[in-house]
Amino acid sequence: DGGITQSPKYLFRKEGQNVTLSCEQNLNHDAMYWYRQDPGQGLRLIYYSQIVNDFQKGDIAEGYSVSREKKESFPLTVTSAQKNPTAFYLCASSTGGSFTDTQYFGPGTRLTVL
Amino acid sequence: AQSVSQHNHHVILSEAASLELGCNYSYGGTVNLFWYVQYPGQHLQLLLKYFSGDPLVKGIKGFEAEFIKSKFSFNLRKPSVQWSDTAEYFCAVNAGTGANNLFFGTGTRLTVIP
Repeated sequence: DGGITQSPKYLFRKEGQNVTLSCEQNLNHDAMYWYRQDPGQGLRLIYYSQIVNDFQKGDIAEGYSVSREKKESFPLTVTSAQKNPTAFYLCASSTGGSFTDTQYFGPGTRLTVL
Repeated sequence: AQSVSQHNHHVILSEAASLELGCNYSYGGTVNLFWYVQYPGQHLQLLLKYFSGDPLVKGIKGFEAEFIKSKFSFNLRKPSVQWSDTAEYFCAVNAGTGANNLFFGTGTRLTVIP
């Protein structure tokens, strides 16, 4: 089955710890994205990568870091600098790097920082 | 900052009723418009999109949306809903020609009662 996988579904961490969220796609898409969703708010773009070995900050990149060493993988690290890390995180991919391309989403990871 | 408003948070309809979900955005320039849907237990997926041309665009499963530039709106419609349309619906806007952004609304939860 082609698609996007995110693991784990639920993640708990202590305050002050860095945590890495996984996102893998086997759709052979060039572009990948990370969004954050909070209650009562729309999805907000954290980082995006339009091609391997390149990525750009989105609207709320502070306290996050990413890497794109392989086309199929785009892990997101939530660092201790992120002031409010508890949220639902969604990964997406698209065939090209344009934001008008259809984005295909993963199932999401719910991160809770205790 | 750009914003996307979905004023209906939760809509409850009986089967066969007509549906209209509102979406308004704040950007005054060129926009590309999307509706995404998340069915229970499934990933967020594209329902329809508008880039240019006929302002009435048709999507999957009998949905359509109308772009009214003067009202900064892109409302989603369906003449007769089914129980299987129960889902959360998100409006999204790419603001500006070739812009690297995608702004989402907060979503509208639709419950269709059989």
